[in-house]
Amino acid sequence: RKEVEQDPGPFNVPEGATVAFNCTYSNSASQSFFWYRQDCRKEPKLLMSVYSSGNEDGRFTAQLNRASQYISLLIRDSKLSDSATYLCVVNRWRLTGGGNKLTFGTGTQLKVEL
Amino acid sequence: NAGVTQTPKFQVLKTGQSMTLQCAQDMNHEYMSWYRQDPGMGLRLIHYSVGAGITDQGEVPNGYNVSRSTTEDFPLRLLSAAPSQTSVYFCASKNRDMNTEAFFGQGTRLTVV
Repeated sequence: RKEVEQDPGPFNVPEGATVAFNCTYSNSASQSFFWYRQDCRKEPKLLMSVYSSGNEDGRFTAQLNRASQYISLLIRDSKLSDSATYLCVVNRWRLTGGGNKLTFGTGTQLKVEL
Repeated sequence: NAGVTQTPKFQVLKTGQSMTLQCAQDMNHEYMSWYRQDPGMGLRLIHYSVGAGITDQGEVPNGYNVSRSTTEDFPLRLLSAAPSQTSVYFCASKNRDMNTEAFFGQGTRLTVV
């Protein structure tokens, strides 16, 4: 089983729609959680961190459910410019060697259409 | 503020050739890492470093070497290129705080023929 799993999509939605992505993680020792956005042929960039109490940034809302080990991202009022791949990222301490261990999901592709 | 600088952006190699992908960061981050990204596979960790002089293997280290002589630089060496190493390579850096983001370079598109 992969440590972080996402539905690859694509999710094709009309402009103005609300769309939600889910991500599950298998390691209960995971401590911090993020959503990254990756545009075609570009590097991943942080979209938002995910906090236990849930957090919102404009049209974007992220939620964390530690008991069920899943993370969600809700995008309201979708724009054409939201078309991208959204990567779920989980961070924990390495058991050996020290440091953070970031694990990336394979990403969910979103296409927003007119 | 340059962030993470990766060179080259594109490279074509013949099977058996060697090359070094360069990565430099100017944020004084302790952690640096190299990933490869292939369709349907997501980002897979090749090698990482938690500080100057310290490196370790990730998920897919075979065929690659790294070194970390300074905090700023973390080059990735392909010893004898193979077609299976055709991929997009990303370098990333991060500080040790669990809750902070990783910053990525722009990527290197490598084709091995």
